[in-house]
Amino acid sequence: GAVVSQHPSWVICKSGTSVKIECRSLDFQATTMFWYRQFPKQSLMLMATSNEGSKATYEQGVEKDKFLINHASLTLSTLTVTSAHPEDSSFYICSARPGTGPYEQYFGPGTRLTVT
Amino acid sequence: TQLLEQSPQFLSIQEGENLTVYCNSSSVFSSLQWYRQEPGEGPVLLVTVVTGGEVKKLKRLTFQFGDARKDSSLHITAAQPGDTGLYLCAGARSGGFKTIFGAGTRLFVKA
Repeated sequence: GAVVSQHPSWVICKSGTSVKIECRSLDFQATTMFWYRQFPKQSLMLMATSNEGSKATYEQGVEKDKFLINHASLTLSTLTVTSAHPEDSSFYICSARPGTGPYEQYFGPGTRLTVT
Repeated sequence: TQLLEQSPQFLSIQEGENLTVYCNSSSVFSSLQWYRQEPGEGPVLLVTVVTGGEVKKLKRLTFQFGDARKDSSLHITAAQPGDTGLYLCAGARSGGFKTIFGAGTRLFVKA
């Protein structure tokens, strides 16, 4: 149980285009989903927290107009990187938290974004 | 400010050796999780500890939550190459909403 999927697993896009990443909880309902960014050999950097049906809460320094997050249902959240630049290239990971349990998060497999 | 300090940051050992990774804080956590992440993949939850002094075992891995719920340790017995990866501790504070992650311990076990 507690499986989270991400799609796509990797994507290459041109500078100036937008890319959408999907995060789905497959066997549980996620009241909260999180989006992280991870640079090589570093820990996770929280970008934003999203709750179903409400606006996402962004961490300081993360541009909400550039990283659009939509949490339309209890099993789906999307992250759209708008007007992508090469510096947006990174490993993006989502996680989902079930409605119950001591704050455990279950992570997706990640999406490697490369902007050329 | 890094609220969860992990040590060591990097560890390279031979197969069969034992090791301990520490996760320390001055804050009290209502629960603490340990994750393992392999390159190019998302972190995988290993264990959650909730009660002060709690000890949990997962095969060769032993997890302990400090009595005051401010720190935790992960001990691996007879490490194997398959244990190689990034180990992350993460804590949720009482009344808090976000999970705080440590910087991680990168473990490399040589055959």
